Amino acid sequence: NAGVMQNPRHLVRRRGQEARLRCSPMKGHSHVYWYRQLPEEGLKFMVYLQKENIIDESGMPKERFSAEFPKEGPSILRIQQVVRGDSAAYFCASSPTQDYEQYFGPGTRLTVT
Amino acid sequence: KQEVTQIPAALSVPEGENLVLNCSFTDSAIYNLQWFRQDPGKGLTSLLLIQSSQREQTSGRLNASLDKSSGRSTLYIAASQPGDSATYLCAVRRDQGAQKLVFGQGTRLTINP
Repeated sequence: NAGVMQNPRHLVRRRGQEARLRCSPMKGHSHVYWYRQLPEEGLKFMVYLQKENIIDESGMPKERFSAEFPKEGPSILRIQQVVRGDSAAYFCASSPTQDYEQYFGPGTRLTVT
Repeated sequence: KQEVTQIPAALSVPEGENLVLNCSFTDSAIYNLQWFRQDPGKGLTSLLLIQSSQREQTSGRLNASLDKSSGRSTLYIAASQPGDSATYLCAVRRDQGAQKLVFGQGTRLTINP
């Protein structure tokens, strides 16, 4: 059973471009979580999704950020019009149920130039 | 609002020593607490998960304790090895219905041969 997969592992974008980060949960997992780790800071929760539904987006910046988890395919974290402050490692985690522990992917490291 | 603090921020010890990493949290009403390991540029590896009803968990050379009433957890590493060098993160989950994890900023551990 493959673990949580994230791609790309590294992403470079210029200011103003869009970044799309993908997360494929473990097989049988229908709950996905996104976290962000800014340089020299701890991980911060962004959003929790189940298939086709956003359950908790209390950690998402109000503008430019969106997330989806369609019925088919990976979960996508989308950042529009990126700024230098968006440079961070973005981690995805998944779980089979809402009560189970979360398994983390290797992360996507976004650099905005 | 739950806050998680880890002390020290960095620790360097010679190989073979036993050591303790500390984690404190401000709200004692937690569902569980989890210790992770993060290697540079990599994702998170779960080490130990302690449910709120438990006092400790053990895995190999690792032992994690939980004192909910005082808002503290410790991770004990016995007979440290250079391969233990990594950043150690603790995270708490507020309750069964809240899926997001609240992380500390981590302790960067270096084991010197």
